[in-house]
Amino acid sequence: GQQVMQIPQYQHVQEGEDFTTYCNSSTTLSNIQWYKQRPGGHPVFLIQLVKSGEVKKQKRLTFQFGEAKKNSSLHITATQTTDVGTYFCAGLRGQNFVFGPGTRLSVLP
Amino acid sequence: DTGVSQNPRHKITKRGQNVTFRCDPISEHNRLYWYRQTLGQGPEFLTYFQNEAQLEKSRLLSDRFSAERPKGSFSTLEIQRTEQGDSAMYLCASSSRTGVNSEAFFGQGTRLTVV
Repeated sequence: GQQVMQIPQYQHVQEGEDFTTYCNSSTTLSNIQWYKQRPGGHPVFLIQLVKSGEVKKQKRLTFQFGEAKKNSSLHITATQTTDVGTYFCAGLRGQNFVFGPGTRLSVLP
Repeated sequence: DTGVSQNPRHKITKRGQNVTFRCDPISEHNRLYWYRQTLGQGPEFLTYFQNEAQLEKSRLLSDRFSAERPKGSFSTLEIQRTEQGDSAMYLCASSSRTGVNSEAFFGQGTRLTVV
């Protein structure tokens, strides 16, 4: 079945440093979504990417969908302590999304 | 609060007991999903409803698990004869039918501990 992987599993950065998490799928994805889960919280939708090579920005966050639609990335510029949490990508399978294992981001003040 | 509501927030049960969780989705959202999440992992799909119809069930969902959405609004997830391996966070999410793949809104989850 479709596998969605993410690297790294953990990332510790100093506040102000940049952060990138990568999502890779064993199969071509029609859509990919990104979610953020704060410690003790529930996943919150960030964005959806649909087109090959698509790039979307939300303030300091930049999301990219690969040309082959098998990978995606989330880049955060100048991290802040409010960015702490786990970032999940989710690839579409049928009518449902398969979530990756997530990248846990820690930001040291 | 008009978000997705789940009850109870926490449940501790003895092995072998049955438990039932409830999810109230955002009103007018016709799609409802159940996921399970264990520590350090991403949400794992269990089952999906469109209105009252259960359209997909994960192969991970054993016969001990059953979900219903009788009137196309709230949903229940029942686990019979609970096992320690059932301990996890059970998340419910809902989405509207605006486009094929709209965002999912998650509830706070029900944390199940089987002792």
